[in-house]
Amino acid sequence: DIVMTQSPDSLAVSLGERATISCKSGQSVLSSSDNRNYLAWYQQRPGQPPKLLIRWASTRESGVPDRFSGSGSGADFTLTISALQAEDVAVYYCQQYYSSPITFGQGTRLEIK
Amino acid sequence: QVQLVESGGGVVQPGRSLRLSCAASGFIFSGYSIHWVRQAPGKGLEWVAIISSDGTTTHYADSVKGRFSISRDNSKNTVYLQMNSLRPEDTAVHYCARGHASGSFLIDFWGQGTLVTVSS
Repeated sequence: DIVMTQSPDSLAVSLGERATISCKSGQSVLSSSDNRNYLAWYQQRPGQPPKLLIRWASTRESGVPDRFSGSGSGADFTLTISALQAEDVAVYYCQQYYSSPITFGQGTRLEIK
Repeated sequence: QVQLVESGGGVVQPGRSLRLSCAASGFIFSGYSIHWVRQAPGKGLEWVAIISSDGTTTHYADSVKGRFSISRDNSKNTVYLQMNSLRPEDTAVHYCARGHASGSFLIDFWGQGTLVTVSS
C-alpha cells in the first residue's frame, strides 16, 4: 500500500495570508505511461462530505477559486492557498489514485489565526 | 445535477449484517465506477471498495476483504454495500462516491453519507 503523509497536522493562518500543506507519498505516483501524477486534493468543511479541489496534482476543478493551486511531482506535493478566506476553514486531504488500495493522507486542519 | 444518496445505515450489533444502498441520478450511471469510502467519528478518510462501471471488477481494502461485498444494478442506478460480520471498528459515516470519467481510481463527487454504528 502507498502511505500518504501530510504535514502539518494542523495550521492556523491569518485571513489574506498564504497557507501551504505538504503531502508525501511512500512511492512515486507518477505514471511513466502518461506522465501524470495520480494525486488529488480534497477539502472537507465541517459536517460536509469531501469535495475534489485538484486532480493530477495541479489541475484545478471547475469552480474552484484560483487561490487554490497544486504543485509537485513524483512523491512530493504541495497544496497552496494564496490568500486565505474565511470559507477555506476545513480539513484538507491528499489522495493517491495510482494504485489500489486508494490511500489518503491523515488530513490537515486549517484554521484562522 | 449529480446526486448520490446513501441509505441503510443504523445501529447494529457486532457480528450482524447490514446492507447500504447508494442511489444515483444526474449522470449516466452505467458509465462510471463507484466507490465506498468511510470516515470514523473524528477521524480521516478510509477507502473501502470500488466497483467498475459494468460491475465485473471489484477491489476491496484489506480491512473489509472477505466481509464486505460491493455490487450494482445499472437498471436501478443503484450501488450496494453488503456488510457482514460487522465489528465496532466499522463504525463510521459511509460515503458513496463517483469515480472519475478518466477510468482511473480518482473520485470526483461524494454523497452526503450514512452513519453505521456497530455496538452491543
